[in-house]
Amino acid sequence: QVQLVESGGGLVKPGGSLRLSCAASGFTFSDYYMTWIRQAPGKGLEWVSYISSSGSTIYYSDSVKGRFTISRDNAKNSLYLQMNSLRAEDTAVYYCARDRRDGYNRLDYWGQGTLVTVSS
Amino acid sequence: EIVLTQSPGTLSLSPGERATLSCRASQSVSSSYLAWYQQKPGQAPRLLIYASSNRATGIPDRFSGSGSGTDFTLTISRLEPEDFAVYYCQQYGSSPPMCTFGQGTKLEIK
Repeated sequence: QVQLVESGGGLVKPGGSLRLSCAASGFTFSDYYMTWIRQAPGKGLEWVSYISSSGSTIYYSDSVKGRFTISRDNAKNSLYLQMNSLRAEDTAVYYCARDRRDGYNRLDYWGQGTLVTVSS
Repeated sequence: EIVLTQSPGTLSLSPGERATLSCRASQSVSSSYLAWYQQKPGQAPRLLIYASSNRATGIPDRFSGSGSGTDFTLTISRLEPEDFAVYYCQQYGSSPPMCTFGQGTKLEIK
């Protein structure tokens, strides 16, 4: 069965960096786009970034552009999010999701999330 | 950037009743790229509906989606206790090719 497991969250000071990972299993990872979504405490969902199956196409939300970098290692079935220059407003649960695009785009499987807290 | 506005913010209904949730886009959205998700407290979101009206795998047929252009609707025909949750609509844009979510509708027990 499809499984996505995020890791790497934690407490970091403003201006600091953190690298999130998402380990995928149960499907052919290299066939799928992947997406990061975040949810601030008590708030709604916010799309962060996606990466194409080969890694050649990447997009970011305006709120993280220039600070966050999405990447993937298809040999390791892993997705990453390098987060630099972190701000208090980046505090959120970060989810990775499989981004299925077969003419009907949707996020069909989600991980359980990892909490990132940016505070001094 | 396309903005999705969901209404109402909170919907109070009883089990057995019909729920109608709305998602309005600031400009036309492709029906192929409009999805709905359910999120319960402490859990990750779950895909319910994709391409405006297609139920995801394992989703009961009391859930249905409809709409086109700028107006989309999620309907739950007869509410079960486990349906009380927060629901989000989501779209994939083409220019720019970014995703956006609505702010969510909380469905609570009356």
